Amino acid sequence: DGGITQSPKYLFRKEGQNVTLSCEQNLNHDAMYWYRQDPGQGLRLIYYSQIVNDFQKGDIAEGYSVSREKKESFPLTVTSAQKNPTAFYLCASSISNQGGEQYFGPGTRLTVT
Amino acid sequence: AQSVTQPDIHITVSEGASLELRCNYSYGATPYLFWYVQSPGQGLQLLLKYFSGDTLVQGIKGFEAEFKRSQSSFNLRKPSVHWSDAAEYFCAVGSGGYQKVTFGTGTKLQVIP
Repeated sequence: DGGITQSPKYLFRKEGQNVTLSCEQNLNHDAMYWYRQDPGQGLRLIYYSQIVNDFQKGDIAEGYSVSREKKESFPLTVTSAQKNPTAFYLCASSISNQGGEQYFGPGTRLTVT
Repeated sequence: AQSVTQPDIHITVSEGASLELRCNYSYGATPYLFWYVQSPGQGLQLLLKYFSGDTLVQGIKGFEAEFKRSQSSFNLRKPSVHWSDAAEYFCAVGSGGYQKVTFGTGTKLQVIP
């Protein structure tokens, strides 16, 4: 089955620690995205990548970092510089000839205490 | 800058009743418009999309949406709601391809027996 996987489903960390969220896709999509979701705020774009070894900041990139060494993988690191890291994180991918339609993973809920 | 407004935060309907969820967008050119659905703790699933052609778009699960350029609206409709339709619904606008997609803040649908 083709799709996007995110692991783990739930993640707990202590304040001051960096944490990396995994996102893998086997859809052969060129573009991948990371969103943060908080109650009542919809989805906010953190980073996106249109091609391997290239990525751009989204609307709320501060305190986050990404890499895109392989087409299939787009991990997100939440650094200790992120002031409010507790949130639900969603990864997505898209292919240009689908008119911008994005396919989403199941999400990772990160709790930092 | 593109933007999306979903004026209803919560909507409650009776099972079997009709449904209309409102979405207004702001975009300078012809937009790509999407409706997604999200069950609690899950990723988003595409219901339907519009980028050209017939302004009445059919989607999955019996949903449809109508693009009205004069009103900058893309409202989602379903003639008869099922209990399984209870979820959160997001409207989104983009320019197609790999470009940024902006999401609304969502409308939570509750279905009562």
